Amino acid sequence: NAGVTQTPKFQVLKTGQSMTLQCAQDMNHNSMYWYRQDPGMGLRLIYYSASEGTTDKGEVPNGYNVSRLNKREFSLRLESAAPSQTSVYFCASSENSGGLQETQYFGPGTRLLVL
Amino acid sequence: RKEVEQDPGPFNVPEGATVAFNCTYSNSASQSFFWYRQDCRKEPKLLMSVYSSGNEDGRFTAQLNRASQYISLLIRDSKLSDSATYLCVVNAWMDSSYKLIFGSGTRLLVRP
Repeated sequence: NAGVTQTPKFQVLKTGQSMTLQCAQDMNHNSMYWYRQDPGMGLRLIYYSASEGTTDKGEVPNGYNVSRLNKREFSLRLESAAPSQTSVYFCASSENSGGLQETQYFGPGTRLLVL
Repeated sequence: RKEVEQDPGPFNVPEGATVAFNCTYSNSASQSFFWYRQDCRKEPKLLMSVYSSGNEDGRFTAQLNRASQYISLLIRDSKLSDSATYLCVVNAWMDSSYKLIFGSGTRLLVRP
């Protein structure tokens, strides 16, 4: 059981380049999430997918798109990277969204530097 | 005002010490509360949920004060391995579902 996996672990982009961050979970969870974490700030929700086939914006969606490819996989795309998107990106999953006392399980993170 | 506020620390304590962290939240409708632990350059992991009556898990005790909207975490007999950042997490009803709101974390350093 790998839990939540993310690729790549590290990435350096130039301003204007595009890339896709990949995330997969093997816990048969319905809900998946993308967060970013910046120094001095809590994790902020970018997008989430409550169930396969649905996606919704979180707190900071601008500059990102997502795809819930199937129940296991949830990708995050930066179409035209900007220095403000330099951050650590975490993918997470949970059995269901909207559940009280529900645990989210996180992937190991992707460190992104945009020059 | 941040929705979840924590003292960033760091709290620098000797092994064996007792240390307490507080966290305040702004959404009075929040119903679920958690402490997550994040080691340096690693992902957050659930440490414990926080229940209304307070709860204990070994050396860790969590308390909730709904009237004052704060949550606490007490660590007794600190170990070197407790060194980490502790994230206070609160759920909030937004856009037809509950979302987790993360504090920015309190850093704990336990020294020999």
